Amino acid sequence: GQNIDQPTEMTATEGAIVQINCTYQTSGFNGLFWYQQHAGEAPTFLSYNVLDGLEEKGRFSSFLSRSKGYSYLLLKELQMKDSASYLCAPRGKAAGNKLTFGGGTRVLVKP
Amino acid sequence: NAGVTQTPKFRVLKTGQSMTLLCAQDMNHEYMYWYRQDPGMGLRLIHYSVGEGTTAKGEVPDGYNVSRLKKQNFLLGLESAAPSQTSVYFCASSYSIASGSYNEQFFGPGTRLTVL
Repeated sequence: GQNIDQPTEMTATEGAIVQINCTYQTSGFNGLFWYQQHAGEAPTFLSYNVLDGLEEKGRFSSFLSRSKGYSYLLLKELQMKDSASYLCAPRGKAAGNKLTFGGGTRVLVKP
Repeated sequence: NAGVTQTPKFRVLKTGQSMTLLCAQDMNHEYMYWYRQDPGMGLRLIHYSVGEGTTAKGEVPDGYNVSRLKKQNFLLGLESAAPSQTSVYFCASSYSIASGSYNEQFFGPGTRLTVL
């Protein structure tokens, strides 16, 4: 099975930086995804890591350490529109490209 | 491209009633998935399919059935709805691992189901 742990909620100020941590335990590992989900909407893909290290995509970066079962999502230069839930989802090695989602971290950006 | 679409968007059922949720994708994806999302519980996989004519159980399959008669469609059925099935249901699709790239899952807009 898989256990995923991420904080429930974080608050930050517009223009600041926020780091969302995710720890996971998996029986097999084949990459880790981060999704963004605005209230009442569908999750949308943000980033993917399969090797250790940092992946940068504009204001968003994601880091992975496979040996520690740890990832983080870094949101820089926060904007009001970044207020959303952020879902950590490791992928297992079993057939089906299946993801297991954490409960999500709700980020509230204040002016 | 419409991506992943779901019908209906909202539905209210009485206990014991049945219904079918329809998911359609126009991206020629091999894999399709049904999730439910409840407050504080994240997305949980109900059933999934790795190709036309095949289905498999996910984490929480009880009380649901699925069918994938056509590659582009994935149906989720509730034979006898219960209040515990009140949830938001999301469909998703992706390429197979063999297709390379990230193979991220693309999600539909969701169906909000209330069972009274």
